[in-house]
Amino acid sequence: EPEVTQTPSHQVTQMGQEVILRCVPISNHLYFYWYRQILGQKVEFLVSFYNNEISEKSEIFDDQFSVERPDGSNFTLKIRSTKLEDSAMYFCASQGGLGEKLFFGSGTQLSVL
Amino acid sequence: SQKIEQNSEALNIQEGKTATLTCNYTNYSPAYLQWYRQDPGRGPVFLLLIRENEKEKRKERLKVTFDTTLKQSLFHITASQPADSATYLCAPMDSSYKLIFGSGTRLLVRP
Repeated sequence: EPEVTQTPSHQVTQMGQEVILRCVPISNHLYFYWYRQILGQKVEFLVSFYNNEISEKSEIFDDQFSVERPDGSNFTLKIRSTKLEDSAMYFCASQGGLGEKLFFGSGTQLSVL
Repeated sequence: SQKIEQNSEALNIQEGKTATLTCNYTNYSPAYLQWYRQDPGRGPVFLLLIRENEKEKRKERLKVTFDTTLKQSLFHITASQPADSATYLCAPMDSSYKLIFGSGTRLLVRP
């Protein structure tokens, strides 16, 4: 079965540094998502992306966050100036059509020190 | 605001029994409702999707019901096995471009 690939699997950074989390969605999918999960908490929606623009974003997704699909295959999440509370597992997901199932990557564990 | 409620307490059952998990939602008019399984440290994995005009959906040992009047979905695993131990997430979906998950219910199946 096709899969969503995320890199790196672990990222350690200093507070205030910029990080870019990378995802390769399934090739013929049209809708892309980022979620995060703080340890022991629920999977939280961050942002959805369709047709090269943000479709929806949550309150968590403030000016420090941005997403990009630079080359038609990669889908990236950038955090400009990381905070301690950004430490979490970040999941990328892709979807073939609206209302269909989401395919999740294995996640990037971000640790902000 | 939109709210999804799943039992926060773990469900602990004996192998071979049927597990029933509940998902209640408010301030939603979902066209679909999806169920996912999440194992520790892993991403959610899709299990079943049920549409608003479907009362019940089955897949092998899994069954989902969807009651739009009660605003509730029930997720059943029959003949449960220790390998079914995981957290199960429900996600009602309306016409917006986002899938919001409930906090999940942890299922523990004892051998």
